[in-house]
Amino acid sequence: GAVVSQHPSWVICKSGTSVKIECRSLDFQATTMFWYRQFPKQSLMLMATSNEGSKATYEQGVEKDKFLINHASLTLSTLTVTSAHPEDSSFYICSATGTVSYEQYFGPGTRLTVT
Amino acid sequence: GDSVTQMEGPVTLSEEAFLTINCTYTATGYPSLFWYVQYPGEGLQLLLKATKADDKGSNKGFEATYRKETTSFHLEKGSVQVSDSAVYFCALRLGGGGADGLTFGKGTHLIIQP
Repeated sequence: GAVVSQHPSWVICKSGTSVKIECRSLDFQATTMFWYRQFPKQSLMLMATSNEGSKATYEQGVEKDKFLINHASLTLSTLTVTSAHPEDSSFYICSATGTVSYEQYFGPGTRLTVT
Repeated sequence: GDSVTQMEGPVTLSEEAFLTINCTYTATGYPSLFWYVQYPGEGLQLLLKATKADDKGSNKGFEATYRKETTSFHLEKGSVQVSDSAVYFCALRLGGGGADGLTFGKGTHLIIQP
């Protein structure tokens, strides 16, 4: 149980375009979802926290107009990278917590490459 | 700000060797501490956790003790197996609820040779 999926697992886009990444909790209702970013050989950095039906809370230094987060249901959150540039290339990981415990369950990640 | 420092990898050991992966933290307040493991192609999985000083988390033969005096949470296992090969992340969370994100270390790649 407690499975989180991400789609796509890998995406390449051209500079200036937008790309959407989906994060789904498959077998539980996720009251809170988190988005992290990971650079090579670096730690995961929390980007934002989203609660179903509410606006996301962004960490300091994260551009909310560039990284649009929507948590429209208890099983789905999306991260849209708008007007992507090569410096946005990274590994994006989501996690979710349910209603029973505060443990975070992680998705496998999405590798974004902007050319 | 809050931070987690863990030993750089890769760490290469022979099967049945003793494992220690060091982790120290800096935090305002009293964090909960975690070890996550990531196997190739999979998401991070919680390995063990401790929520207060002197607590010991344990799972699958791995142990870590929350040491407030040394701000450490070192991961240990007495006899590693090839299947333990993975990336291990130490992390902290300041809040006690489900709405609080985690602060991670950089991860330690562990390679166990048969």
